[in-house]
Amino acid sequence: DSGVTQTPKHLITATGQRVTLRCSPRSGDLSVYWYQQSLDQGLQFLIHYYNGEERAKGNILERFSAQQFPDLHSELNLSSLELGDSALYFCASSDWTGRTEAFFGQGTRLTVV
Amino acid sequence: AQSVSQHNHHVILSEAASLELGCNYSYGGTVNLFWYVQYPGQHLQLLLKYFSGDPLVKGIKGFEAEFIKSKFSFNLRKPSVQWSDTAEYFCAVNSNFGNEKLTFGTGTRLTIIP
Repeated sequence: DSGVTQTPKHLITATGQRVTLRCSPRSGDLSVYWYQQSLDQGLQFLIHYYNGEERAKGNILERFSAQQFPDLHSELNLSSLELGDSALYFCASSDWTGRTEAFFGQGTRLTVV
Repeated sequence: AQSVSQHNHHVILSEAASLELGCNYSYGGTVNLFWYVQYPGQHLQLLLKYFSGDPLVKGIKGFEAEFIKSKFSFNLRKPSVQWSDTAEYFCAVNSNFGNEKLTFGTGTRLTIIP
């Protein structure tokens, strides 16, 4: 158990819908990262939050957004879903130093039908 | 921008064979290097990491990796693989400045034949 909790584990939804994925980082970790894993794109970095503030953006679509709350949990919002958004979405957390590895959650498998 | 190349996409070995998976990175500054493993249906778990010091690092489950700065490489090795090593292996890099995202390679799928 990595200490990073993601909910839900599985999500099936229709095209055009909006979903919210939730991540609770390890206790004490201030950084939260979101990654998308798909067969054709591999592991792609989406966005990084540190202590409530956005630190870096990767290949994140405009239809996607995220935030980190005062209790440090994070949510990834995906809207106007398309079939191609079907993927495994991972959250990872790390401490503030960056001198430790990132710990990954179990992921949320999103299927858009 | 950082990039990571894993040249072996799918490796098939018999049990007890030796393993070496290649990883090369591109980055102009000082980096941290990682190997993660993803067993079927599971999340990514850290095998080993390099921040500084001895370039030969040992990780869990008998894996080791060697950082060769001049070659921008961080190859993963294991002298004798087991069927339970069947998984996908990802090399990753981030900046040594701290709090930086990981950039992953495309992964190497390892299949061990009993």
